[in-house]
Amino acid sequence: KNQVEQSPQSLIILEGKNCTLQCNYTVSPFSNLRWYKQDTGRGPVSLTIMTFSENTKSNGRYTATLDADTKQSSLHITASQLSDSASYICVVSHRLSGGYNKLIFGAGTRLAVHP
Amino acid sequence: AAGVIQSPRHLIKEKRETATLKCYPIPRHDTVYWYQQGPGQDPQFLISFYEKMQSDKGSIPDRFSAQQFSDYHSELNMSSLELGDSALYFCASSLRLVKNTGELFFGEGSRLTVL
Repeated sequence: KNQVEQSPQSLIILEGKNCTLQCNYTVSPFSNLRWYKQDTGRGPVSLTIMTFSENTKSNGRYTATLDADTKQSSLHITASQLSDSASYICVVSHRLSGGYNKLIFGAGTRLAVHP
Repeated sequence: AAGVIQSPRHLIKEKRETATLKCYPIPRHDTVYWYQQGPGQDPQFLISFYEKMQSDKGSIPDRFSAQQFSDYHSELNMSSLELGDSALYFCASSLRLVKNTGELFFGEGSRLTVL
């Protein structure tokens, strides 16, 4: 079954600290993996998209890694800020026949950054 | 830059009533997706349209229907509303994900509350 599992479910860190969120998937065949940030009650906003051949990708203080062999990804947040408090959702693109992709969402990690 | 516009942002209905949500994709985007996100849940795919034709169907109840119009905006029609339909409904748009890296842009969501 094509699934995306994220850990931890929730996380509390102090402002300025670093943290790493995990995403494991069993989706096959795999097209790409995305990390989204979702503020409460708002629409998800894309942070990174990683294809099969990419191992690391950065977007400011966010760095995503991908190990396609072990089907694991991580999102590292450096020098956290209060505004980083949000849910971080891992989304894996499942490649279907005909070239169409279906997105499979993880349940998200809820991050709270405290002053 | 123009984003995905959803309306209304908030909607309150009673059981057995009907509701219509609207989505205006980013200009030139040809694909629209609808997702339902219950409290504390990850987004669940409902339905998608490509070039005004239904391209994929997820866990959309039979009581719901959707379409994409000639101007590419989409409407999600929900009838015989149930309490369990209370959720945040997201619309997302993209250029068709054929190339596997099509960016998906989400709207801010429409919050439906069924009393």
